[in-house]
Parts: sequence; structure tokens; C-alpha cells
Amino acid sequence: KNEVEQSPQNLTAQEGEFITINCSYSVGISALHWLQQHPGGGIVSLFMLSSGKKKHGRLIATINIQEKHSSLHITASHPRDSAVYICAVFTSGTYKYIFGTGTRLKVLA
Amino acid sequence: DTGVSQNPRHKITKRGQNVTFRCDPISEHNRLYWYRQTLGQGPEFLTYFQNEAQLEKSRLLSDRFSAERPKGSFSTLEIQRTEQGDSAMYLCASSFRREENYGYTFGSGTRLTVV
Repeated sequence: KNEVEQSPQNLTAQEGEFITINCSYSVGISALHWLQQHPGGGIVSLFMLSSGKKKHGRLIATINIQEKHSSLHITASHPRDSAVYICAVFTSGTYKYIFGTGTRLKVLA
Repeated sequence: DTGVSQNPRHKITKRGQNVTFRCDPISEHNRLYWYRQTLGQGPEFLTYFQNEAQLEKSRLLSDRFSAERPKGSFSTLEIQRTEQGDSAMYLCASSFRREENYGYTFGSGTRLTVV
């Protein structure tokens, strides 16, 4: 079992739908990051969380430390949101990410 | 300097050939990382430099792989005698602050195809 699990692995949505991607982890963490990877390969940081909730535009990320769970929500989804969304964590005192396998999102017009 | 730059973006090579990739990090970043990502998987850690010192190497980095960062600026990753299993996206990233607070800045990756 991976230390960081994401669900679903693949998601197809219609434009305008509300989307939720989940991340569960089994290790103690100092921070959790949500990352976006486009087909060209580059990875962009969306959110860094250690507690609570963060919002940026149509994106919302939440984390529940006790339950070891985080969610990424996309409101009013758009085809340009199509990408792979990756959950990654840092354990205390380390500089290495532990990555989830990613959720491949496709938003149809 | 707008980010982490990786070259080439794509490389197709015949099995058994040697390949070298280059990463130019953000200039003020003293920490540099190499990760490898295969299809449908998250990236896997390969190695880490702080300035010119290579401080950690994953067991994934076999004897055929070598990474350098000679002046603490750009880094190269060389794969000797490539195998088909080496086909992957090779990602470079850099940072200079506490990673758990700020994360990395990633490059766009070098996609290697070994035929």
C-alpha cells in the first residue's frame, strides 16, 4: 500500500461541474502539497497546507490532520482545468516529497 | 531567470547509448533534486544536491546513473548504456528555503524514450 493514496485515479467531468479529488496518507506529515501537472510534464504548485483550508480562485483545498485526509475541490470546472493533480507530502525533517500517483482530470466542454 | 530550465525536453535514444540531461535551477536556489516519473505514477526521488555536494542518492540510481553539480549551479544527469526501462520523464527541481513551507520549483522535465 502506498503511503499517499489518491482517488479517483481518473475523472471525467462536464464543464461547470464541481469536482473533488481526495488524498489520504498513512505517515506523519509536516505539510501537504497539491500540485498540477500538464501533459507537457511541468509541475506547478497549487497549495501548501499544514492545517485548515485554503482558497485560490476556483480552487479550494482542505486538510484534516487527525483523519490524515485532504481534498482538492474545483468549482465551476473548465476544460483548461484538465491536467493531472498530484498530492504530495513532506514528513517531518525531510526534504523529499512522497507523491501520490495522481488523479487525471478531463473536463469536457 | 524565470524558473527551472531542463534540456532537452525530449530525447529518443537507442538502447545501449549514453544520454546526458541538464538542469539549470533558479539562481538563488542552493538545493537541487532529480526525480523520475513513469507513466501513471507519481515522481520518485533519485538524488539531492545542496550546493555542489550530493547528499543523498536513491537505490533507484543504479551504477549506470550519475549526477553532478560541479559548481553548485547547473546539474547534469547521465545515464550510461541505456535500457528500455529507463524510459521515463526526468524531473529536476530546486529550492532554497524550508521545503515543507515552500515546496520546490519544478522544471518541465526531460522525456526519455529508449528504443
